[in-house]
Amino acid sequence: AQKITQTQPGMFVQEKEAVTLDCTYDTSDQSYGLFWYKQPSSGEMIFLIYQGSYDEQNATEGRYSLNFQKARKSANLVISASQLGDSAMYFCAMRDRCCRTYKYIFGTGTRLKVLA
Amino acid sequence: KAGVTQTPRYLIKTRGQQVTLSCSPISGHRSVSWYQQTPGQGLQFLFEYFSETQRNKGNFPGRFSGRQFSNSRSEMNVSTLELGDSALYLCASSFAGGSDTGELFFGEGSRLTVL
Repeated sequence: AQKITQTQPGMFVQEKEAVTLDCTYDTSDQSYGLFWYKQPSSGEMIFLIYQGSYDEQNATEGRYSLNFQKARKSANLVISASQLGDSAMYFCAMRDRCCRTYKYIFGTGTRLKVLA
Repeated sequence: KAGVTQTPRYLIKTRGQQVTLSCSPISGHRSVSWYQQTPGQGLQFLFEYFSETQRNKGNFPGRFSGRQFSNSRSEMNVSTLELGDSALYLCASSFAGGSDTGELFFGEGSRLTVL
């Protein structure tokens, strides 16, 4: 069965420093997609970054990058130059890429606090 | 481009009552899915609709139901409310096209409190 594991319930980082949020996944599928979402206190989940299982390059979106290690089944999110507005819950998620189904599996999340 | 709109944002019900939540997806998005978020269980998938058909269903009792209309708007209903149904209910839409990476666009959620 598919599973997403986020082992860090909470993290602190100093403003302007980089931080890595861990995510490991388990799937027997060859084709899948990995996502990171940010959830501020308002509740809305905001899409950050996507990595396809066949993508050879690590995905990057501005200050966000995804450190994708397929053999280790890890998809860690790296946030560079942290800002106070980055304080939020972060969720890693996985979706089967085939069959046009859209059932995601989410991790339990990591609460990030950026310190001034 | 307007985002995903969920109504109501907050509501309080008592045990045994029923509730209907509404979701308007982003224009052009044909897939709508629903998630329940609680502190203890995290995000749990409820169901997904595409072109008015339920395409996937999570592991929830039959008290949880949903539907999608021809304009892609979706509603979910919870009957005979229980205390454990207190949660943030998130709706997400997706284009669901062939080349789509499938990222979900979420609304701000409907926070349900059952007393």
